[in-house]
Parts: sequence; structure tokens; C-alpha cells
Amino acid sequence: QQQVKQSPQSLIVQKGGISIINCAYENTAFDYFPWYQQFPGKGPALLIAIRPDVSEKKEGRFTISFNKSAKQFSLHIMDSQPGDSATYFCAARPLGGAGSYQLTFGKGTKLSVIP
Amino acid sequence: NAGVMQNPRHLVRRRGQEARLRCSPMKGHSHVYWYRQLPEEGLKFMVYLQKENIIDESGMPKERFSAEFPKEGPSILRIQQVVRGDSAAYFCASSRVADNEQFFGPGTRLTVL
Repeated sequence: QQQVKQSPQSLIVQKGGISIINCAYENTAFDYFPWYQQFPGKGPALLIAIRPDVSEKKEGRFTISFNKSAKQFSLHIMDSQPGDSATYFCAARPLGGAGSYQLTFGKGTKLSVIP
Repeated sequence: NAGVMQNPRHLVRRRGQEARLRCSPMKGHSHVYWYRQLPEEGLKFMVYLQKENIIDESGMPKERFSAEFPKEGPSILRIQQVVRGDSAAYFCASSRVADNEQFFGPGTRLTVL
């Protein structure tokens, strides 16, 4: 049972465009939603994260939008650059309590930004 | 300020051999997590350890897999009698406390021939 569904599987965006990746979750106990960026041969690195008490969080060119009622969240990359080409994973976990350390990941989106 | 270190980075084993994967957490971190990433898949939680204790191994296969985090030295993920289906990237992460951000290592890519 996949608890975090991520789409699309792959994405091609022109340089300067907006990249949008979507995730949906099922477990209502989730209340911490990080996004990770992974380059080939490397481990995932935390990019940006959000808690459900806010609907949007922005850090530089990266924005998370969160819709608690729909149980969906998305990553927007503004002014996408070739250096953003990587695989992006959404994840979720409870904050506190049982299983609070256990990240549940989406399957990943391979982003290619073309010049 | 070294990050999470994993070795070896690549490991090739024949079916039936043993694989030992090592993870040294970030300085000051005493919580270690192991995740497995199959091709074209996200990371899947395997086990959570603190020094000398296994806290949660609910994601670990019941047979052939074991993990430890001794008082001294790195955490070890051990896979006995490897099979082709064990081929994957194994990532270790660490955190200062259980509820904090997890920092990932570069992974060990295991190939079983």
C-alpha cells in the first residue's frame, strides 16, 4: 500500500520555466512534509519542508503548497535551471508519537531542465 | 564537519555471500536509520537504531537481514546469503534526536550477481 503518491514520474521543463511536482497522502497522522533532492550517485538532501499549520512555504525559488483538506502538497520550482535537474522525492511522517522518525517517501520525479 | 559516511560505496556480491554495509552518523548524532531504494522506487524504511539498541525494525525482512549500532564504531547492516532481489541502494540517515531532520549518507549500491 503506497501511502504517498507522487506525480509525474518524469518532467521536462525549459530553462526559466516553472516545474510542478504533486504528492497526495493517505495517512492523516502525517504532519511533517519534506521534499528531498537527489543527484545521481548521491543521497537525498533536504530541500524544503512544511508543517500543516501553514498553506505555503517559500525558500528562494522553491515553494511548497499544502492543502490539508485534500491531503495534497506540491513543490513549485520557479525559474528552473539546468542545475535543478535531479530526482525529487516528497515524503511525510508524523511529528511526535509512534513512528515519528519513519519517513514515507513517494516514488520520485525525475526532472530535466533543458536549456 | 563531516556528514553521514557510508562504505563501501559500491559492493558486488555473488548469490549466497554475505554483505556488510557500514554507516557512521554525523558527529553528535546518536540516532541511525536505514532505508532501501529499489530501482525507480522511493526509499523504504528498514530499521531505526540508537546506540546498542534496535528501536524499530518493522521495515526489515524477517530473514537474512540484521542491523546493529554498537557502543563504539559504525552502524552495520548485514545481509546474509544475498539473492538478486537484494540488489538496491541502501541509505543510512542520522539525526540528533528522533524527531529531528534526518541527514542522509551517499548510499551503498549493492549488486548481487
